[in-house]
Amino acid sequence: SQQGEEDPQALSIQEGENATMNCSYKTSINNLQWYRQNSGRGLVHLILIRSNEREKHSGRLRVTLDTSKKSSSLLITASRAADTASYFCTTYNQGGKLIFGQGTELSVKP
Amino acid sequence: SAVISQKPSRDICQRGTSLTIQCQVDSQVTMMFWYRQQPGQSLTLIATANQGSEATYESGFVIDKFPISRPNLTFSTLTVSNMSPEDSSIYLCSVDGLAGSDTQYFGPGTRLTVL
Repeated sequence: SQQGEEDPQALSIQEGENATMNCSYKTSINNLQWYRQNSGRGLVHLILIRSNEREKHSGRLRVTLDTSKKSSSLLITASRAADTASYFCTTYNQGGKLIFGQGTELSVKP
Repeated sequence: SAVISQKPSRDICQRGTSLTIQCQVDSQVTMMFWYRQQPGQSLTLIATANQGSEATYESGFVIDKFPISRPNLTFSTLTVSNMSPEDSSIYLCSVDGLAGSDTQYFGPGTRLTVL
């Protein structure tokens, strides 16, 4: 079964607006990571948040983690057309393998 | 971080043929991973390749179909054998980050189309 599941599956916003994506997972984790994939290319690592952290920032990105609800959110502020991409949350399963959810497809319209 | 390159970046192949994808890393890494991403889908781990040992395949993937080589700590190949249109996907290699890091770094991917 998928370890991370993103919501919504697709999100369309105007440039300058904020975009929020959510992720849920099933088992206990040491950390959770978010990746971005532009147009079917390779994945770019965005941010890692550890299980003992509740919030983390990186530039226009803000990630929260709620281990009691087994959920995380990624907020992109002041979005740009270049933020158009698919976003994945990932966690490690008990076998130490990185497991991906289905991703959120973000479209930022200029 | 690690810089990873893949060759080819894309290819169009005929049914029944095989394609070998190369993955080169700019530093020595212990573990390399191969993923498949079918159209509109998420990433699925095919196998883990460690230098000096046989690759470990995930459920649903077999060595005859996806033979993997790992001749040294900076290089790996994945072969997609006897291809069918269902093999049309993006294939990505990835590596573990620095020691103590939980981050995996990904190559740019190889987009394969099988006719």
